[in-house]
Amino acid sequence: DQQVKQNSPSLSVQEGRISILNCDYTNSMFDYFLWYKKYPAEGPTFLISISSIKDKNEDGRFTVFLNKSAKHLSLHIVPSQPGDSAVYFCSYGRWGGGADGLTFGKGTHLIIQP
Amino acid sequence: NAGVTQTPKFQVLKTGQSMTLQCAQDMNHEYMSWYRQDPGMGLRLIHYSVGAGITDQGEVPNGYNVSRSTTEDFPLRLLSAAPSQTSVYFCASRRGDKANQPQHFGDGTRLSIL
Repeated sequence: DQQVKQNSPSLSVQEGRISILNCDYTNSMFDYFLWYKKYPAEGPTFLISISSIKDKNEDGRFTVFLNKSAKHLSLHIVPSQPGDSAVYFCSYGRWGGGADGLTFGKGTHLIIQP
Repeated sequence: NAGVTQTPKFQVLKTGQSMTLQCAQDMNHEYMSWYRQDPGMGLRLIHYSVGAGITDQGEVPNGYNVSRSTTEDFPLRLLSAAPSQTSVYFCASRRGDKANQPQHFGDGTRLSIL
């Protein structure tokens, strides 16, 4: 059973507009959600995270919103730029008790159109 | 600053062969982990280590062994390669002092089993 769901395999957005990437989860026992960005032939790079005790975190053009009652989070990119074209992974972290690791969604391929 | 270095970048094996994927980090991170990514899938955790001498299984550990004799290195061993192990493998590391420290990924090893 997939614990982190990214239901949109791809998303096309015009340059300068807002990109909204969505993520749903089933397990309520988490500490943090983390978004990663991945270019082809490279490893994922950390983008932004949000704690379970918050409902919003902002870093420059990137904002993540968490709705715990709906078990949903979203990543907003404003304004979208050509360099934002990449695959975005939603993940949550398991830490403590000797455990460590991330559970990832399948990713959303964001394409920024000029 | 090299970060997380994975070698080799590409490898083709025959079924039944063994090999070791190398991973080294120069950031003095306590935590290291291995993930695999299959087409259209998110990354899945294979094994992880919370410190030298300590390893544990992740979501998909079967067919893989790990060891952590030093802080810097975390090799992944395939004892008898199978076609189902054809994948892209990513090594990651992170600081252990706070729960939300993001993982830093290497650029991956593309492994094909014939």
